[in-house]
Amino acid sequence: KAGVTQTPRYLIKTRGQQVTLSCSPISGHRSVSWYQQTPGQGLQFLFEYFSETQRNKGNFPGRFSGRQFSNSRSEMNVSTLELGDSALYLCASSLGGNGNSPLHFGNGTRLTVT
Amino acid sequence: SQKIEQNSEALNIQEGKTATLTCNYTNYSPAYLQWYRQDPGRGPVFLLLIRENEKEKRKERLKVTFDTTLKQSLFHITASQPADSATYLCAPPSYMNYGGSQGNLIFGKGTKLSVKP
Repeated sequence: KAGVTQTPRYLIKTRGQQVTLSCSPISGHRSVSWYQQTPGQGLQFLFEYFSETQRNKGNFPGRFSGRQFSNSRSEMNVSTLELGDSALYLCASSLGGNGNSPLHFGNGTRLTVT
Repeated sequence: SQKIEQNSEALNIQEGKTATLTCNYTNYSPAYLQWYRQDPGRGPVFLLLIRENEKEKRKERLKVTFDTTLKQSLFHITASQPADSATYLCAPPSYMNYGGSQGNLIFGKGTKLSVKP
């Protein structure tokens, strides 16, 4: 079975721009979660989608948004980029039934904002 | 608010010894807890899940304990090898914002384990 695929792997943007990151989950997984990882804060939860609906959301500003398509693929968008948005963005998929399913992570998109 | 602490940022041990990593949580009682391994430049990889009614769980050289009285989980790697060098993350679920059910995982900042030959 193919793992979680995130594209692109690396991205460099300038302040004020917007960016869209993509995630293809493991086949059969209906839940997709997004996390931001920085050296200082560790892994911070952004949001989770299940069957195209946002099921839970972390404490990030509205500039961070996401969506999930009918084939479970997900995208994450960050508008009006700030320097502090530089981070590794990780997507994880799971069966997502009752919340205790293990997460399967992709290798992330490394976003650098200059 | 829920808080997760992994006591050591870094742990250095000699090959063959047992590594013990600690995860403490405060202000709530998670029904389960997961442990992940992360290598540089890669996403975390799931290792073990332990439920609140399980005192201990094992997988090959790995052992996890869950003490709901102490609000602590211990992660052990026996007969450690240099290939075990990585960052290890504990991750209990948060209480979701609705209904009080447990949902998305919250991660500790991790312990970076270095095993020297």
